[in-house]
Amino acid sequence: DIQMTQSPSSLSASVGDRVTITCRASQSISRNYLNWYQQKPGKAPKVLIYAASSLQSGVPSRFSGSGSETDFTLTISSLQPEDFATYYCQQTYSTPFTFGGGTKVEIK
Amino acid sequence: EVQLVESGGGLVQPGGSLRLSCAASGFTFGSYAMSWVRQAPGKGLEWVSSISASGGNTYYPDSVKGRFTISRDNSKNTLYLQMNSLRADDTAVYYCGRGRRDPPAEYCGQGTLVTVSS
Repeated sequence: DIQMTQSPSSLSASVGDRVTITCRASQSISRNYLNWYQQKPGKAPKVLIYAASSLQSGVPSRFSGSGSETDFTLTISSLQPEDFATYYCQQTYSTPFTFGGGTKVEIK
Repeated sequence: EVQLVESGGGLVQPGGSLRLSCAASGFTFGSYAMSWVRQAPGKGLEWVSSISASGGNTYYPDSVKGRFTISRDNSKNTLYLQMNSLRADDTAVYYCGRGRRDPPAEYCGQGTLVTVSS
């Protein structure tokens, strides 16, 4: 199984801050199969980024993704109040499709 | 607008069975693969199962293989998850999603809570 390791597990940031979350795969995966989700309490996870860097329709452009092989990054260029949530990376390169442990973004 | 409405959750004893349903609307259900993901209380996300658009191919992680069965009825626009031999660690909110791999599944329902306890 491919293990996905996110860091940090949590962070505190202020509105307007630039935030970067990293995700490392235990083996090389095609960037076509690396996705990022946002989840707010009590809600279903929402796709933000697919194929490592493609923005899901309707997602604000302050979200961006990059990376390849084993190392991937989600960046929020200017954190907004509605962005406080938990973020997960997921690989769909091979089954079982595995998620990272999540990064909780909290208000400083 | 894509709508997915999960149902069928509840309290069940260890070793028991439950069938979850996901009613889909707002898109051509039979053209999309579908998936289930779950989230144990206070924990992260875990992929549970996926099925191809036709229903001919199904996928599971080892944690549920042999106990859970995903299926679909394209005439009823409904996805199912039959869960047998339930264990305490199956306790979670279960979400259904449109899609599987490329593009990834999109989850938009409220989820359904499954509690396995005596």
